[in-house]
Amino acid sequence: DAGITQSPRHKVTETGTPVTLRCHQTENHRYMYWYRQDPGHGLRLIHYSYGVKDTDKGEVSDGYSVSRSKTEDFLLTLESATSSQTSVYFCAITNGQGARETQYFGPGTRLLVL
Amino acid sequence: DQQVKQNSPSLSVQEGRISILNCDYTNSMFDYFLWYKKYPAEGPTFLISISSIKDKNEDGRFTVFLNKSAKHLSLHIVPSQPGDSAVYFCAASPGQGGSEKLVFGKGTKLTVNP
Repeated sequence: DAGITQSPRHKVTETGTPVTLRCHQTENHRYMYWYRQDPGHGLRLIHYSYGVKDTDKGEVSDGYSVSRSKTEDFLLTLESATSSQTSVYFCAITNGQGARETQYFGPGTRLLVL
Repeated sequence: DQQVKQNSPSLSVQEGRISILNCDYTNSMFDYFLWYKKYPAEGPTFLISISSIKDKNEDGRFTVFLNKSAKHLSLHIVPSQPGDSAVYFCAASPGQGGSEKLVFGKGTKLTVNP
């Protein structure tokens, strides 16, 4: 158990509304990631963070922003949700020991944009 | 342009037999590879990894083989059990660890029949 929680676990929202998803970790890990999972696409990286206030874009960052003001929290915001952002969102952290680090995932947030 | 390809969307095997899941990659800079297992409504869980300095890594019933010249890796599960039924994702990294960005394949759904 890598100590990752995501909230909310499920959300239904309407097109055009802002949505914020939260990822919380208890292990004080430096790296945190946001992915989305869609049928036929696997897992795609949205944004990631390598420290407090240090973030970078991933493969599918358009329409998303992130913030990390504390080590333990990584927020993903959809400024104006669209139906194409209906997906399952996973947060991940690295939980490595030494040179080999592996990403560990949270339970996911299922988002439906109507 | 997929850098990590899992060409079989699904695979069905009998309990007790071997399951072989395949993954191909195109980026010769990838040097660390991971397999994740995902059950419905849960986050992906790390299964096994392999560095490019090795051609095989074993962990219990799970073995990953890496053929660098062919840019191909495979996951063998022996013997397969019904609890192994899940979606399996192959992932690759250009760096030695999860702190680098991972690139995932689209996944293969494994069904193990009793």
